[in-house]
Amino acid sequence: EAGVAQSPRYKIIEKRQSVAFWCNPISGHATLYWYQQILGQGPKLLIQFQNNGVVDDSQLPKDRFSAERLKGVDSTLKIQPAKLEDSAVYLCASSLAGATGELFFGEGSRLTVL
Amino acid sequence: AQSVAQPEDQVNVAEGNPLTVKCTYSVSGNPYLFWYVQYPNRGLQFLLKYITGDNLVKGSYGFEAEFNKSQTSFHLKKPSALVSDSALYFCAVSYRGGATNKLIFGTGTLLAVQP
Repeated sequence: EAGVAQSPRYKIIEKRQSVAFWCNPISGHATLYWYQQILGQGPKLLIQFQNNGVVDDSQLPKDRFSAERLKGVDSTLKIQPAKLEDSAVYLCASSLAGATGELFFGEGSRLTVL
Repeated sequence: AQSVAQPEDQVNVAEGNPLTVKCTYSVSGNPYLFWYVQYPNRGLQFLLKYITGDNLVKGSYGFEAEFNKSQTSFHLKKPSALVSDSALYFCAVSYRGGATNKLIFGTGTLLAVQP
C-alpha cells in the first residue's frame, strides 16, 4: 500500500514570494491534515479536511495561507506571501477514522524562507 | 485550554536499560492518547494508542505505554532500550472540540540511547 506522498521535499524561497505544497493521501482515507512543524516544536494543525470539506482551520493564518482539496483526494497548501517565520516542515497526514484513529504522515516538505 | 506536556526535552539511556518518556495531558472529557516517533528527515510514525480498557497498552517495536487517569499521564516505556530507538518521540491527545475531534501534539522528547 502506498503511503502519503508529498512534494517538494525541500523548497527555499525569498520572503514575500509564494510557494505551494502538494499532498496525496492514502487511497480511501477521507480525512486529510496539514501540520506545521517548526524546529524544536511539536506539529501544529493548520487545517483538517473531511473529504473535500474543511472541518477545522482555526489555526490557519488565512491572510497568507490557503489550502484546498477540491475532489476529496489530493490537496495543496499555498503560502503567499511567505514570511521568515514560515520556515518549517509542512507535514501532510491522512486517516480513516478522523482524529480518533491512527494518522499516517508523509515525509514532509521543508520550507526555508530567506 | 487543552494541552499536552512532555516535560523532558531529552532522555538519555544506556542500551539494554529500561526507558521512560513522560507525557501529561489536560483535556476535558475522555481523551484518546497516542505516541508517535519521528526519525531524522522523516514523517511521524504511529507507535500506539489508548482509547479505553486496559491501562497498559502495547505497541510497535516493543514499546508500551501506561495510562494513569488520576495523574492524567500517559508515559511511554520499553523494558530494554536499543540504539536504534534513538529518535524524537511525540505524545498526542485527541479530544472532542466542537463538531469534530482535534489532535494536538506535545513538543517532543529526544531519546538518545548510548551503546
